[in-house]
Amino acid sequence: SQQGEEDPQALSIQEGENATMNCSYKTSINNLQWYRQNSGRGLVHLILIRSNEREKHSGRLRVTLDTSKKSSSLLITASRAADTASYFCATTSGNTPLVFGKGTRLSVIA
Amino acid sequence: DAGVTQSPTHLIKTRGQHVTLRCSPISGHKSVSWYQQVLGQGPQFIFQYYEKEERGRGNFPDRFSARQFPNYSSELNVNALLLGDSALYLCASSLPSRDEQFFGPGTRLTVL
Repeated sequence: SQQGEEDPQALSIQEGENATMNCSYKTSINNLQWYRQNSGRGLVHLILIRSNEREKHSGRLRVTLDTSKKSSSLLITASRAADTASYFCATTSGNTPLVFGKGTRLSVIA
Repeated sequence: DAGVTQSPTHLIKTRGQHVTLRCSPISGHKSVSWYQQVLGQGPQFIFQYYEKEERGRGNFPDRFSARQFPNYSSELNVNALLLGDSALYLCASSLPSRDEQFFGPGTRLTVL
């Protein structure tokens, strides 16, 4: 079953714009992770934020976590054509394995 | 260092057949997990193995089985294939104390 639900399902922006994707989940978590997937191939880990953290940065990525609302957002600043991919949030709680959402398909138009 | 490798890349089978997918983790990673990703969906957890023992199993029928070898590589076996088993099968490895997982490129299975 899917734990997270990403919003929007698809997003199309111009190169240089910022892209924001949201993720909502249902149960308490240990941490929330964001992954990127290019063209239906393997996933690449982007960033992990723990349940006691509220914001985290990595390069052009900024992730926020609101455990009271059970939601997270991923912001990609100054987007590039190479950022075109599907983005998934995934959560862990206790000793459970990663539970993924359905993903957001991002298209960055040059 | 080499990343997670999977073989084969693509596979076409017919209903009722059996398939074996293989995965080699990153050197030093003792945990291997398998996921099924149907088109348009996120990956769904199938199995996790650590030190050759099953640590977790997702909501998949008994037709799905897996094992981990002494060198930490792993096989996923699926018997009596159904059309609905058509998917991208992803293998991921991780360190025991870390939650982030490193994924292989996947095996695209098509069942006709």
